[in-house]
Amino acid sequence: GESVGLHLPTLSVQEGDNSIINCAYSNSASDYFIWYKQESGKGPQFIIDIRSNMDKRQGQRVTVLLNKTVKHLSLQIAATQPGDSAVYFCAEFYTGRRALTFGSGTRLQVQP
Amino acid sequence: EAQVTQNPRYLITVTGKKLTVTCSQNMNHEYMSWYRQDPGLGLRQIYYSMNVEVTDKGDVPEGYKVSRKEKRNFPLILESPSPNQTSLYFCASSWTVDQPQHFGDGTRLSIL
Repeated sequence: GESVGLHLPTLSVQEGDNSIINCAYSNSASDYFIWYKQESGKGPQFIIDIRSNMDKRQGQRVTVLLNKTVKHLSLQIAATQPGDSAVYFCAEFYTGRRALTFGSGTRLQVQP
Repeated sequence: EAQVTQNPRYLITVTGKKLTVTCSQNMNHEYMSWYRQDPGLGLRQIYYSMNVEVTDKGDVPEGYKVSRKEKRNFPLILESPSPNQTSLYFCASSWTVDQPQHFGDGTRLSIL
């Protein structure tokens, strides 16, 4: 498959455990944040997003937490499955830039 | 099925030979964007388009051109490709810039 990063930080978890992937964002003016999942050979796939007027948002098996004080974003995956193995990116947006800024990603490896 | 389609998926070519990577979306999205993805550097935006006939430079526009004559298509043009443009390229679209972008499956370009 396509290599998306040779030296990405890696999180290794056991199947069934909960996973937490962290992201530090750069701009205190950013007001919209997204998490993407990228599997080998595929484009990034939207997981969940959150706006700056919220500090938590839940989806199916995923939760995003936003801490604006320390400019930190996290993605929690409940009951991690082998199909969750991928590279996960956070992205931030602030009005006026007209573009998302992507983090470098974290590789999640799920051990059966 | 909602999708962003890129062609070709793989291309090996030589320095200086003009090439075009096509991108088409079937979701009637107004915002479209091109990214390149390199190991250790993450996704970097090349060009974006807020709507038909409106395009603007992203973070790494040098050596690339785009056009947006129709809402659904956003081709990426390399007039005189060079080896430093060897990369994995993604096209994406969304309703607006601050909404989740849908990505194509990528185009792997190798410039010899």
